[in-house]
Amino acid sequence: EVQLVESGGGLVQPGGSLRLSCAASGFTFSSYEMNWVRQAPGKGLEWVSYISSSGSTIYYADSVKGRFTISRDNAKNSLYLQMNSLRAEDTAVYYCARVSGSYLDDAFDIWGQGTMVTVSS
Amino acid sequence: QSVLTQPPSVSGAPGQRVTISCTGSSSNIGAGYDVHWYQQLPGTAPKLLIYGNSNRPSGVPDRFSGSKSGTSASLAITGLQAEDEADYYCQSYDSSLSALFGGGTKLTVL
Repeated sequence: EVQLVESGGGLVQPGGSLRLSCAASGFTFSSYEMNWVRQAPGKGLEWVSYISSSGSTIYYADSVKGRFTISRDNAKNSLYLQMNSLRAEDTAVYYCARVSGSYLDDAFDIWGQGTMVTVSS
Repeated sequence: QSVLTQPPSVSGAPGQRVTISCTGSSSNIGAGYDVHWYQQLPGTAPKLLIYGNSNRPSGVPDRFSGSKSGTSASLAITGLQAEDEADYYCQSYDSSLSALFGGGTKLTVL
């Protein structure tokens, strides 16, 4: 079964750090581009970051640029999001999502169940 | 405020047809980037509903259809059913190298 499972969420104080992980299974992880998408409580979806299949190309939303770092380990079938200098407005459910094809604007066809990050003192 | 504009809510009676619009600009939808649609049932992760403007993934009923014209796209749902009650999001891409989501539309089945 094709699956993505996020972990690493939790409660963190403003200014703190957290590292999210996304474990992939059931497909050849190294062949797919990946994204992180977040959803604040009661709000819509917000794209956070993109990484190419090799990890050589990376993009970030302006709201997290300079604070978040996306990475992947294809040998471990895992995607990561290192989040530093966290703010209250980063509070959200964070989803990892697979890009269906090889074009930049292809759809996100597989989503994880999400992991909750709460930034509060 | 999202770059892709969707109506906050739509509603319809069972069996009826509803449409959800997604309006962008010349730097995203109008630039030729594909539009995709996602369905999010309460308390669950989003699910791909329509990809590449008008294509349905395997398992998605043909009651769901998508179209794109110029700087806008639309999702149509015919034969509305109670289980269609959910949030719907359009998604595209921008020439600034970022993926974009619409603000979401809550569908209520009356």
